[in-house]
Amino acid sequence: DGGITQSPKYLFRKEGQNVTLSCEQNLNHDAMYWYRQDPGQGLRLIYYSQIVNDFQKGDIAEGYSVSREKKESFPLTVTSAQKNPTAFYLCASSFWDQPQHFGDGTRLSIL
Amino acid sequence: DAKTTQPTSMDCAEGRAANLPCNHSTISGNEYVYWYRQIHSQGPQYIIHGLKNNETNEMASLIITEDRKSSTLILPHATLRDTAVYYCIVTTGGNQFYFGTGTSLTVIP
Repeated sequence: DGGITQSPKYLFRKEGQNVTLSCEQNLNHDAMYWYRQDPGQGLRLIYYSQIVNDFQKGDIAEGYSVSREKKESFPLTVTSAQKNPTAFYLCASSFWDQPQHFGDGTRLSIL
Repeated sequence: DAKTTQPTSMDCAEGRAANLPCNHSTISGNEYVYWYRQIHSQGPQYIIHGLKNNETNEMASLIITEDRKSSTLILPHATLRDTAVYYCIVTTGGNQFYFGTGTSLTVIP
């Protein structure tokens, strides 16, 4: 089945630790996106990538990093510089200017 | 940036039509109206989108006023599984999808 797979579903981070969230898609989409959602809030764009080997900062990129080495994959690293990382992280993909399709998210918590 | 206004919450009886309104009075000529929904602890699900004509698919209908300043998402026969937060978004696409807080729809048995 075509779709977007995020892993893990739940993730725990210790203080000072970097963690990486995985996002894989088999929809042949060119563009991929990472969003953050806090309880009771909407989604905020962290990073996006229109094509392989290129990515752009979104509205809240500080404390995060990404890479786009393959069309299918867009991993997000939450670095120790992100002081409030507890949130629900959502990955999406699309053809540019077409509807975005989302994965089921990763919930990150601090130990 | 909030370009849309939606009611915070709505209820609908199971089996009845759910009509979810959205105001977007500052919409530009090249912006589409998109609707998504998010069931608790899942990713948003695309429902439908349109530019100026009314649209219908297997999930819902989208009615856009002639001046394009407002729209209504219609779920024709609401079921308990339609309980979710519904987001109305105006966008030119790409990285310009802004999800606000949406409308929390509760379908009542």
